Amino acid sequence: DAGVTQSPTHLIKTRGQHVTLRCSPISGHKSVSWYQQVLGQGPQFIFQYYEKEERGRGNFPDRFSARQFPNYSSELNVNALLLGDSALYLCASSHGQGARAEPQHFGDGTRLSIL
Amino acid sequence: GDSVTQMEGPVTLSEEAFLTINCTYTATGYPSLFWYVQYPGEGLQLLLKATKADDKGSNKGFEATYRKETTSFHLEKGSVQVSDSAVYFCALRPSGNTGNQFYFGTGTSLTVIP
Repeated sequence: DAGVTQSPTHLIKTRGQHVTLRCSPISGHKSVSWYQQVLGQGPQFIFQYYEKEERGRGNFPDRFSARQFPNYSSELNVNALLLGDSALYLCASSHGQGARAEPQHFGDGTRLSIL
Repeated sequence: GDSVTQMEGPVTLSEEAFLTINCTYTATGYPSLFWYVQYPGEGLQLLLKATKADDKGSNKGFEATYRKETTSFHLEKGSVQVSDSAVYFCALRPSGNTGNQFYFGTGTSLTVIP
């Protein structure tokens, strides 16, 4: 079975531009979460979507937005890119809303570089 | 607020050495605890988990025990291999209906030399 897939794998943008990152969860998974991983740090939570509704938001500015589609895939959008947005963006999926024992399954991420 | 603190790396060990990576957490109630591993150029893979006090998670020779009294979840392996070289992340999911917001430590890089 396919795991979590993310596209593109690498992306180079300049300051002020906009970017859209895409994620397809594991088949049957209804929850998608987005994380930002800056080099040398652990992932930081950005958003969670479950059944196409936002269920959680981390401490990120309004330049960051996301949505989930009827097929449970998701997009992360970032406007007005800053140098500090350079990071690995990880998508994670799980079947449910967040049961205690249920782990999240991560994709390989999109490496975003801002020049 | 909720947080995870990991021992700083990098850690370099010889093959067959004993491994301990310390992890302590701050959270209210009884969070679920996880260890993830990240190989170069890849995403995070679940290594093991524990959901209540005194639970022991184990996988591929790695073990970690949920210690409520010391708020710890240290990762151990009796004999490391070169293939264990990776970055290890401790993570928690807060108790209660908080969805899927995980809190991660900063990661510990492990290099195993032959």
